[in-house]
Amino acid sequence: NAGVTQTPKFQVLKTGQSMTLQCAQDMNHEYMSWYRQDPGMGLRLIHYSVGAGITDQGEVPNGYNVSRSTTEDFPLRLLSAAPSQTSVYFCASSRPSGGTDTQYFGPGTRLTVL
Amino acid sequence: TQLLEQSPQFLSIQEGENLTVYCNSSSVFSSLQWYRQEPGEGPVLLVTVVTGGEVKKLKRLTFQFGDARKDSSLHITAAQPGDTGLYLCADLGNQGGKLIFGQGTELSVKP
Repeated sequence: NAGVTQTPKFQVLKTGQSMTLQCAQDMNHEYMSWYRQDPGMGLRLIHYSVGAGITDQGEVPNGYNVSRSTTEDFPLRLLSAAPSQTSVYFCASSRPSGGTDTQYFGPGTRLTVL
Repeated sequence: TQLLEQSPQFLSIQEGENLTVYCNSSSVFSSLQWYRQEPGEGPVLLVTVVTGGEVKKLKRLTFQFGDARKDSSLHITAAQPGDTGLYLCADLGNQGGKLIFGQGTELSVKP
């Protein structure tokens, strides 16, 4: 099993450009999430999904879109990149386990917006 | 909105020393999780605690959950350079996939 994979690993954008961060998991997990990590702020939830076709907003959703057409994939779209979106982005997946879910994180995408 | 506060924010110690890091919540935890993150990688789950007063051990790491389920500590005995990393506490919440994280404790263990 590859676990959770993310592409690209690094990306540099100019302000106003759009792009999609890819996330895939091969563990047949129902739950998938996107977080961003900024220095001194831990990880903050952007969007999450509890199954194919179902998504919802997290703590910092503005400027990002998601969709979940399959169980395996959960892409994150930046519509018009801004310097404030410079961050490290992590995708995670898990299976519901009655309050003891184990979240598996991908290796991250480091995004710089100029 | 629940806030998780971790202390200290940075910790630099010598190999062989003991240390404790803390996590405090503004509200009762649903389920508390501790993660370790190494540079350039995603967080990896260390432990989940659910019951107030619970103590779990993972080799040289001891995790305690407060009786009121609003605080937790992570104690490392005889720290090693391989323990270096960012330690994060998180609340699993009552709906999967929605972790709330503290800001982390960055630990450096020097040989």
